[in-house]
Amino acid sequence: SQKIEQNSEALNIQEGKTATLTCNYTNYSPAYLQWYRQDPGRGPVFLLLIRENEKEKRKERLKVTFDTTLKQSLFHITASQPADSATYLCALGDDYKLSFGAGTTVTVRA
Amino acid sequence: GAVVSQHPSRVICKSGTSVKIECRSLDFQATTMFWYRQFPKQSLMLMATSNEGSKATYEQGVEKDKFLINHASLTLSTLTVTSAHPEDSSFYICSAPGQEIINEQFFGPGTRLTVL
Repeated sequence: SQKIEQNSEALNIQEGKTATLTCNYTNYSPAYLQWYRQDPGRGPVFLLLIRENEKEKRKERLKVTFDTTLKQSLFHITASQPADSATYLCALGDDYKLSFGAGTTVTVRA
Repeated sequence: GAVVSQHPSRVICKSGTSVKIECRSLDFQATTMFWYRQFPKQSLMLMATSNEGSKATYEQGVEKDKFLINHASLTLSTLTVTSAHPEDSSFYICSAPGQEIINEQFFGPGTRLTVL
């Protein structure tokens, strides 16, 4: 069965540094991969989508890479700020059905 | 971006009662909506796909008679948890596909259900 693993449960970094999150998957060939932000007690908020034929996507301070050979996506938050503190979820998609990882909680210290 | 709302945001009920949760797309139409469930510190799990004008499609292991879904209009889907039990206590979240980016989805704020 398919498995989605996000690198660690929690990541603590200093303000201004780059946070790098990992999403690995097995037994799956997704058509696309998405990253979401989720704050406590709230629904996920869409951040970025990258398709299987794309290597990298950027949006402001966010960058996502997608390596279908390694079955891995990296999510970078550059020049991190305390407001970036949240849980970040990766989701693999096929048509409109999404399979989510458990998330990585990022805490940015001022 | 598009906005999806859910009502109620929190509900506490007694074991054996039924609870209805509404999911609305506020400024766009959604022929399809999705219902997820999330337990603490766990990933969102897709429960079912709600289809306007036809029956919902349930994921493996989800009891369709327990989790009734009705997609009444192009902007409203409801999830009814029937005969709720404490193990049904969870965070229920709906989503709807966006209109501008293919495969983009917009999620509602979630409904916290606590069954006593």
